[in-house]
Amino acid sequence: NAGVTQTPKFQVLKTGQSMTLQCAQDMNHEYMSWYRQDPGMGLRLIHYSVGAGITDQGEVPNGYNVSRSTTEDFPLRLLSAAPSQTSVYFCASSYEAGLQETQYFGPGTRLLVL
Amino acid sequence: ILNVEQSPQSLHVQEGDSTNFTCSFPSSNFYALHWYRWETAKSPEALFVMTLNGDEKKKGRISATLNTKEGYSYLYIKGSQPEDSATYLCAFTSGTYKYIFGTGTRLKVLA
Repeated sequence: NAGVTQTPKFQVLKTGQSMTLQCAQDMNHEYMSWYRQDPGMGLRLIHYSVGAGITDQGEVPNGYNVSRSTTEDFPLRLLSAAPSQTSVYFCASSYEAGLQETQYFGPGTRLLVL
Repeated sequence: ILNVEQSPQSLHVQEGDSTNFTCSFPSSNFYALHWYRWETAKSPEALFVMTLNGDEKKKGRISATLNTKEGYSYLYIKGSQPEDSATYLCAFTSGTYKYIFGTGTRLKVLA
């Protein structure tokens, strides 16, 4: 049972480049989410999805796009990377969209934008 | 804007000491309060989900209490061990499908 997987583990981008951070879960979870973690800021919600075909914005969505074509996958796209997007990104999932469920986190992707 | 605050920001204790920290959250529109343990270079792992006023949860030497009327939760660690060293996060949900995290309490247990 792989749980929540994220790729890549580490990425360096130049300003203006685009890329996709991959997230997949094999637990048949309905709810998936993306967070960024910055020093002194805690985990901030970027986007979330309550099921395939349904996505919505979190606290800090600007500069990021998401889609949810399958239950398993929830990729995060950076359209034009900026140094302010240097961060550690975590994907998480939970069984149902109800918020009394425990979230399971992936190992994180460390992104550096030069 | 919903705000979740945790205190203290960091804490150093000696092995064997008991300790506790606080998570404060909005008392209105409460849905659930989550506690996570986050070790360095790893990802957060769930400790407790608390939903009812007066809830008490326990896992080994770690326990938590919840007061939804006044908007706070306490996490207690009894007889701290070096392996308890981690950042402890709380997250509040109000039924909007969004988890709002605090900035965490960083615990260091000295052997």
